[in-house]
Amino acid sequence: QVQLRESGPGLVKPSETLSLTCTVSGASITSYYWSWIRQPPGKGLEWIGSFYNGGTTIYSPSLKTRVTISLDTSKNQFSLRLSSVTAADTAVYYCARGVGDPIPWVWFDPWGQGNLVTVSA
Amino acid sequence: QSVLTQPPSTSGTPGQRVTISCSGSRSNIRGNTVNWYQQLPGMAPKVLIYSNNHRPSGVPDRFSGSKSGTSASLAISGLRSEDEADYFCATWDDSLNGPVFGGGTKLTVL
Repeated sequence: QVQLRESGPGLVKPSETLSLTCTVSGASITSYYWSWIRQPPGKGLEWIGSFYNGGTTIYSPSLKTRVTISLDTSKNQFSLRLSSVTAADTAVYYCARGVGDPIPWVWFDPWGQGNLVTVSA
Repeated sequence: QSVLTQPPSTSGTPGQRVTISCSGSRSNIRGNTVNWYQQLPGMAPKVLIYSNNHRPSGVPDRFSGSKSGTSASLAISGLRSEDEADYFCATWDDSLNGPVFGGGTKLTVL
């Protein structure tokens, strides 16, 4: 059974960098398509970025100047860094596995439980 | 503003059939498959329908999906109180080179 768990601070100050880690069990992050997705309170889902083939990364055009996704294959974890945060970045951040082939036909299953990050001084 | 357009809300009574629409464009729905996610209150989303009309194991056959052109829809028959949730459509956008989501539809079971 594949499980994902996000971890990281729940509060980040404006202009600082948000950092989250997703720990994966039951599957290797060197396979599949792994993503970060966020959901502002009471709003819809927004894709942040993904990696696949063990290291190829792609980012949302609206966030790419501020986002970095990195991998630690020894721990089977991947991380998100979002710089220069503002209140608009307040959201529940999910990590998720993408399955399916080819990549444009992926669906996300499973998802982590989510990590609420509030940006506030 | 979401790339895919869904009605913000819909409702139905137990046993009724409801449908939720998802409208996109040539750069997303037309050339790619559509997936649907169910988000129960306070929970993470869960895949309900993948590749337009496939149900993961464990999802009742009361749920069905379809796609035509630049639109897709989710149908729920025999509505039950536990179906009360938010439903999101999703697909790939060739212009953005990434997945896109609808704004979500809140289903209320009266």
